[in-house]
Amino acid sequence: QQPVQSPQAVILREGEDAVINCSSSKALYSVHWYRQKHGEAPVFLMILLKGGEQKGHEKISASFNEKKQQSSLYLTASQLSYSGTYFCGTGETGANNLFFGTGTRLTVIP
Amino acid sequence: DAGVIQSPRHEVTEMGQEVTLRCKLISGHNSLFWYRQTMMRGLELLIYFNNNVPIDDSGMPEDRFSAKMPNASFSTLKIQPSEPRDSAVYFCASSSWTAAYGYTFGSGTRLTVV
Repeated sequence: QQPVQSPQAVILREGEDAVINCSSSKALYSVHWYRQKHGEAPVFLMILLKGGEQKGHEKISASFNEKKQQSSLYLTASQLSYSGTYFCGTGETGANNLFFGTGTRLTVIP
Repeated sequence: DAGVIQSPRHEVTEMGQEVTLRCKLISGHNSLFWYRQTMMRGLELLIYFNNNVPIDDSGMPEDRFSAKMPNASFSTLKIQPSEPRDSAVYFCASSSWTAAYGYTFGSGTRLTVV
């Protein structure tokens, strides 16, 4: 039930772009994305619902392909503040609980 | 709104002792989730409630773990007796029924069982 994320870790220089992928073996209704900084709680970024929509949040956007049971998070022109661990959380039809992925540690360096 | 409030922030206890973790939901949220986070296993869902009713507790590791939600705004997670392998950060999170605005996590309780 736990989705798989890739890559496990990535290091970027300020201004570079990154893509984080999330894949599930289950049929999905929703995908959430969260960012967690060290020693803090995960913080909600965005939710994508069944329908393949793409969403944006400043320079962070995401897509959801429910047929492939996959979602991707796109970070463009990365900033130092983007550093943290990114988690996807997947939800199945009829349930509002989430299963979280293994996480992707993103480090942005000057 | 003060957000989701967890207490204590840190707990160090000896093996065999009872531990109680507390969580206060955001007003208006009616779903409550307990997660455990470790380096090895990531964020694991332990149990969740909708409208004070436990929906799925299949993630609770053993009978030593129990959770209650005596009212719409408060929940407890109890471990009795505690063991060193229970050491982890425990988060509670709340959301609206549809979770359309995501989960709001509490600051977590870092539990160390020695």
